[in-house]
Amino acid sequence: KAGVTQTPRYLIKTRGQQVTLSCSPISGHRSVSWYQQTPGQGLQFLFEYFSETQRNKGNFPGRFSGRQFSNSRSEMNVSTLELGDSALYLCASSFEGSYEQYFGPGTRLTVT
Amino acid sequence: GNSVTQMEGPVTLSEEAFLTINCTYTATGYPSLFWYVQYPGEGLQLLLKATKADDKGSNKGFEATYRKETTSFHLEKGSVQVSDSAVYFCALSDQTDSWGKLQFGAGTQVVVTP
Repeated sequence: KAGVTQTPRYLIKTRGQQVTLSCSPISGHRSVSWYQQTPGQGLQFLFEYFSETQRNKGNFPGRFSGRQFSNSRSEMNVSTLELGDSALYLCASSFEGSYEQYFGPGTRLTVT
Repeated sequence: GNSVTQMEGPVTLSEEAFLTINCTYTATGYPSLFWYVQYPGEGLQLLLKATKADDKGSNKGFEATYRKETTSFHLEKGSVQVSDSAVYFCALSDQTDSWGKLQFGAGTQVVVTP
């Protein structure tokens, strides 16, 4: 069974731009969670989607948003990029009712 | 709120040495506990889990026991290899903290030398 895939793997953007990251979960997994990983703040939860609905959200500004499609694929969007948004963005999927999450390789975003 | 505290790294060991990484947690509910490992340039891999008190999770020679009385979930391996060099994260998922959220510790870098 294929794992979680994320595209693109690397991205360089300029401050003020916006970016969209994509995540395809493991087949059969309907829950998708997003995390931001930085050296200073570690791993922080962004949001979780299930059946196209956001069920949980972390403490991030409204510039960070996401959505989930009917095939469980998910996207996250960051608008008006700031230098501090440079991070590894990780997506994880899980089976309904399970607390185990399986992570993708991440998208490395660099904001210049 | 919920939190996870791990011992700081880096932890440097010789091959075949014994590894222990301490992890303690605070949680409002009854959490499930996990250890994840991250190799350079990669995402996180689930190493092992435990869902209730006294459960022992194990995988690839690593073990951790869910100790409710001490709110701990320490990771151990009896004989490490160079290939075990990575960053290890302790994490919890608390059903009272709602869906899809893992609370992570800061991570512990482990360096194993030949």
